[in-house]
Amino acid sequence: DAGITQSPRHKVTETGTPVTLRCHQTENHRYMYWYRQDPGHGLRLIHYSYGVKDTDKGEVSDGYSVSRSKTEDFLLTLESATSSQTSVYFCAIRSRDNSPLHFGNGTRLTVT
Amino acid sequence: DQQVKQNSPSLSVQEGRISILNCDYTNSMFDYFLWYKKYPAEGPTFLISISSIKDKNEDGRFTVFLNKSAKHLSLHIVPSQPGDSAVYFCAASVETGNQFYFGTGTSLTVIP
Repeated sequence: DAGITQSPRHKVTETGTPVTLRCHQTENHRYMYWYRQDPGHGLRLIHYSYGVKDTDKGEVSDGYSVSRSKTEDFLLTLESATSSQTSVYFCAIRSRDNSPLHFGNGTRLTVT
Repeated sequence: DQQVKQNSPSLSVQEGRISILNCDYTNSMFDYFLWYKKYPAEGPTFLISISSIKDKNEDGRFTVFLNKSAKHLSLHIVPSQPGDSAVYFCAASVETGNQFYFGTGTSLTVIP
């Protein structure tokens, strides 16, 4: 187990409400990532972080923001949830260049 | 546009035989390639990787082959076991980069 905890594991929310997903790691890894998984699209990168307060956008960042105030925590926020953001969200960590991503067990988000 | 493609959504193989999963990529800058395995309701698990300086990497029953000129990689599983039944994702990145691009996945079923 890669020492990654995602919370909550499941969430149902209404369109227009803000939602924050949390990723917590115990590995002290530098890099942290948020992906979403959708049928027919595989895993797509939303945002990633390469250090405390250092973040950058991925392929599908519109409608999402992130924050990393501590090495161990990476938060993903949907400011105003939409039905198109119904998905499974995975956090991943990586220790250094030339190393693989290690994933958490995901958060299933449903926006009604 | 999908930079990493897995054109076979599903594959069925008899137990004990070889499973071959394929992946194509379009970005010639990619030089680090990975395979992940995913069971339902779990996060993807790292299986094996290969750098572009190699054309083959083995780890037990798993071998990854890289054909840079064809921009193609494959994962061979020999012998296949029922526990190998899962969705397999290939991924690619630039080794010194931060972003990983994933294919859409191939669902492997190993028939006992």
